[in-house]
Amino acid sequence: EVQLVESGGGLVQPGASLRLSCAASGFTFNIYAMSWVRQAPGKGLEWVSTITTSGGSTYYADSVKGRFTISRDNSKNMVYLQMSSLRAEDTAVYYCAKENFGSGRNFDYWGQGTLVTVSS
Amino acid sequence: DIQMTQSPSSLSASVGDRVTITCRASHSISSYLNWYQQKPGEAPKLLIYAASSLQSGVPSRFSGSGSGTDFTLTISSLQHEDFATYYCQQSYSARAWTFGQGTKVEIK
Repeated sequence: EVQLVESGGGLVQPGASLRLSCAASGFTFNIYAMSWVRQAPGKGLEWVSTITTSGGSTYYADSVKGRFTISRDNSKNMVYLQMSSLRAEDTAVYYCAKENFGSGRNFDYWGQGTLVTVSS
Repeated sequence: DIQMTQSPSSLSASVGDRVTITCRASHSISSYLNWYQQKPGEAPKLLIYAASSLQSGVPSRFSGSGSGTDFTLTISSLQHEDFATYYCQQSYSARAWTFGQGTKVEIK
């Protein structure tokens, strides 16, 4: 059974840093790209970042480029999101998602999410 | 960026109704369109990928169609468990994914 379990969320002040983690199990982790998607309270879904299988390529939404860094550890089946210079508008539930491929790409499995609140 | 626009933003329907949700892309995306369902307090769930392919385990009352810029998600006979918010997502610009704003399906 595929499982994605996020952790690391919490309440932080504007300008602070936070690292989110996602523990993956139930699939061959190192052959799938992984992503983070967020959802502000009462709002829709926003893609944040993607990392390819080896970690050799990373992609970011313009809203987080230069502030967030995605990484992965294939030996531990973990993906991370290092967030810095956090702003109030980064407040959201952050989901880890597994990218599937074949007939186009999609997110076929999601974690339960971890809440990040940026407030003074 | 490719913008995705869903309509309506919300709708009210009864159990047994046929429901149709539309998603329009700002540029042609061929068939690179996915649909997700999200219930309150839960993570999104993949329903349809590549515009019309049903994800494993998803009931056959869900179907998708379209190509280019115009797409449709149809629920043939709405069930209680289908009351949720539905999102479209383009995967044409992969690794620069964009979602529609969502359509909330509520009980009439």
